[in-house]
Formats: sequence, structure tokens, C-alpha cells
Amino acid sequence: AQSVTQLDSQVPVFEEAPVELRCNYSSSVSVYLFWYVQYPNQGLQLLLKYLSGSTLVKGINGFEAEFNKSQTSFHLRKPSVHISDTAEYFCAVDRGSTLGRLYFGRGTQLTVWP
Amino acid sequence: DTGVSQDPRHKITKRGQNVTFRCDPISEHNRLYWYRQTLGQGPEFLTYFQNEAQLEKSRLLSDRFSAERPKGSFSTLEIQRTEQGDSAMYLCASSSLKRATDTQYFGPGTRLTVL
Repeated sequence: AQSVTQLDSQVPVFEEAPVELRCNYSSSVSVYLFWYVQYPNQGLQLLLKYLSGSTLVKGINGFEAEFNKSQTSFHLRKPSVHISDTAEYFCAVDRGSTLGRLYFGRGTQLTVWP
Repeated sequence: DTGVSQDPRHKITKRGQNVTFRCDPISEHNRLYWYRQTLGQGPEFLTYFQNEAQLEKSRLLSDRFSAERPKGSFSTLEIQRTEQGDSAMYLCASSSLKRATDTQYFGPGTRLTVL
């Protein structure tokens, strides 16, 4: 079974500051990893995904994430945030064989202050 | 692609009533998923379909819940005899098997409030 831990439930930062949202997972098999963003009253939008290959993955809106197999982590980073990045961010894993069900973390609320 | 659509966006009902939600996936996506998201939590998997076949169901999907995808296109999720604990956002997602590295694209969700 998989579990996903997002270590911070809330992350407040000032505009133009860097940010890191942490995600750890537990799995005995290879996994695919995803970060989704959810704006208020909306569905989830894919930010980026790791399936294989390079461990540094670049996504939309200037976000990137690094897959670390030894630490079972997939932290999301952005060097300079905007107020428009304020949203809920979810880390998710798939067991990697058939791209089926996703297991989500509890989410991290990123709030960017001016 | 027009994206995944869900109807209704909001539903308020009284305890004990039945409700039905609809999901229209992205055209030609043969996989369709239902998730439930409660306040302060990430989405939790309920069930998924490959074409019209329901391949997996979560333990969260009690006997009061039933999902269908009769022609392999749109899907419905019905909750019978609703309870207050059913209040949540119900999310639908779709993906394609044609591309091995495809991902799930989510709809805007249906927010259910049971009074």
C-alpha cells in the first residue's frame, strides 16, 4: 500500500520569496509521482509529474520537483512565488504499473502575501 | 479537448434523499475515476472504469453508493439514503490508455451538502 505525507499543512510566504512544499511517500514498489494544484471551488490541475528518467521535473507556472528515491521524497519548489500561486497543493502517487488509482496527501495550503 | 465536466456543481439535499451526479470525461478517454474530498483532506479514491467495466471499488464505496458508465462515455454516481457524513466534494477524472504515460485530468467537482 502507499501513503503520502505532506509535512506542512500551511505554508505562508511573501511574494517573490522561494518556496518548498514537502512530500514523502511510502511504497514497496516503483511509483509515479504527481503534484496537483487546486484553486478555491475548482477541481485539480496537474502541475507536474515524474514517471521515469531525470529526477528533476519541470512543470507549469515555474514549479519544479525533484524525485529522491533514497529519501522517498518528491518536494515541490519555486524560486519566486506570486500572489496568484496562493492555492492548495496536493502530492499524489500511483503504484506505477497500470496508471490507476491515485493516493493523495492531505494537501498544503500555500498563501502568498504581498 | 473541452475538459472533464460535472453536473451539478452544487447539490443541497436532506438526509435520507437520493442524489445522482454526472460526469462527462474528455472525449475518447477510456478510463474514468471517481474521488471524494472532504474538508481539509486530499481526494480519496472511490472507483474507476475502463470503458464500461467497473474495475476497482474502494471500501469507501458503501452499498448506498453505485456508479455506472453504461456506454463507456459519461458516468453517474448515485448515493441512496444520504447521510450527513456524505457531505463532500465529489471529483471525477479521466485518462487515456492509449498513451502509457497519460495522467488523470480532473473535473470541477460536485459539492454535496446533506442537511
